[in-house]
Amino acid sequence: DADVTQTPRNRITKTGKRIMLECSQTKGHDRMYWYRQDPGLGLRLIYYSFDVKDINKGEISDGYSVSRQAQAKFSLSLESAIPNQTALYFCATSDSGLNSPLHFGNGTRLTVT
Amino acid sequence: AQSVSQHNHHVILSEAASLELGCNYSYGGTVNLFWYVQYPGQHLQLLLKYFSGDPLVKGIKGFEAEFIKSKFSFNLRKPSVQWSDTAEYFCAVNAGTGFQKLVFGTGTRLLVSP
Repeated sequence: DADVTQTPRNRITKTGKRIMLECSQTKGHDRMYWYRQDPGLGLRLIYYSFDVKDINKGEISDGYSVSRQAQAKFSLSLESAIPNQTALYFCATSDSGLNSPLHFGNGTRLTVT
Repeated sequence: AQSVSQHNHHVILSEAASLELGCNYSYGGTVNLFWYVQYPGQHLQLLLKYFSGDPLVKGIKGFEAEFIKSKFSFNLRKPSVQWSDTAEYFCAVNAGTGFQKLVFGTGTRLLVSP
């Protein structure tokens, strides 16, 4: 079983719709992250969370919101989807050590038409 | 602000050829450096990392990287690539802020032909 699970794997939605991407982890990590990947742009951080009570904006948080429902769950919402939010979205986790690497989920491919 | 540059966007090699992928970062302080690999259709996986000590670090699958502080570089190398190394490779930097907030490069797509 995957340690970091994202649902759905693929989603097509229309402009203006609200959509939620979900992430759950069994690694017991405190820190969780949402990134988006675009061709030629690499990965960019949307939001991150130190723990259940801590939510922080990343470099491209506009148009997104998040919820840390539990230590193991971190969901990303697009309140009103637009076509330029079409991308591959990754959830990641890490423990709280300074040098801890990220562990990624398998990604959610989102298409906004 | 930190930034990471990967100058090679696409690299095509034949099997057994040697590989070197460039990575340069802009930050003058202490850094932690990573290479991640993304195989087709899969998530990113850690290939290797540098925190301190020996600047030549070895990772999985025969990859290694050398940290050259004076050049702000952390190039990835492999002496002999295989078809299974076809993937996208990302360099990432954490400026040692006490928080794992990585800045990623734009990636290098490697295609190894059999």
